[in-house]
Amino acid sequence: QVQLVQSGAEVKKPGASVKVSCKVSGYTVSDLSVHWVRQAPEKGLEWMGGFDPEDGEIVYAQKFQGRVTMTEDTSTDTSYMELSSLRSDDTAVYYCAVFGDGTDAFDIWGQGTMVTVSS
Amino acid sequence: DIVMTQSPLSLPVTPGEPASISCRSSQSLLHTNGYNFLHWYLQKPGQSPQLLIYVGSNRASGVPDRFSGSGSGTHFTLKISRVEAEDVGVYYCMQALQTPFTFGPGTKVDIK
Repeated sequence: QVQLVQSGAEVKKPGASVKVSCKVSGYTVSDLSVHWVRQAPEKGLEWMGGFDPEDGEIVYAQKFQGRVTMTEDTSTDTSYMELSSLRSDDTAVYYCAVFGDGTDAFDIWGQGTMVTVSS
Repeated sequence: DIVMTQSPLSLPVTPGEPASISCRSSQSLLHTNGYNFLHWYLQKPGQSPQLLIYVGSNRASGVPDRFSGSGSGTHFTLKISRVEAEDVGVYYCMQALQTPFTFGPGTKVDIK
């Protein structure tokens, strides 16, 4: 059974970067398609990007191009999402989620990481 | 980008009664493999979203059979046959036909 455990809450100043981790257990991260979705306070869900198994590459939402980097460390089965040049409107809960090849949907979610951007 | 809309945005429900949520997409979600890449999620208060229905009509593992999904192309419906108190939360539809994956605005379901 795949489980995702994310890193703890972060408080950052505008202009800084944040790196959120997503530890995979029960599976090997390189065999999974991990994506990132965020949710601003009292708002809806917004897809940021993730691994496209058809292309073998990470695909990013255009909105975040140039500011976001998604990587993985196969030695620790951990996926990372780094967002730079933070602004106040980046304040949100950031979720990692696995795109299942049997469902073609996000069928496993992490618990979320709150990132607060404030001066 | 594919735009997703939902109605209603707020749905007060009575336990034991049925409920229905509509989701529309700005273009067809029918894949060449014959499946509609439309999924439904429920986000209970204070929790991460959870998958309810995938590819339009398939219940995810562990999802009670009072939940059902239907529709094709650009119009989809989530139905709860008899609402229970534990079903409160925000329901989102999401398209996974093409990136960027996009979500509907959410429908908040609460008890009357």
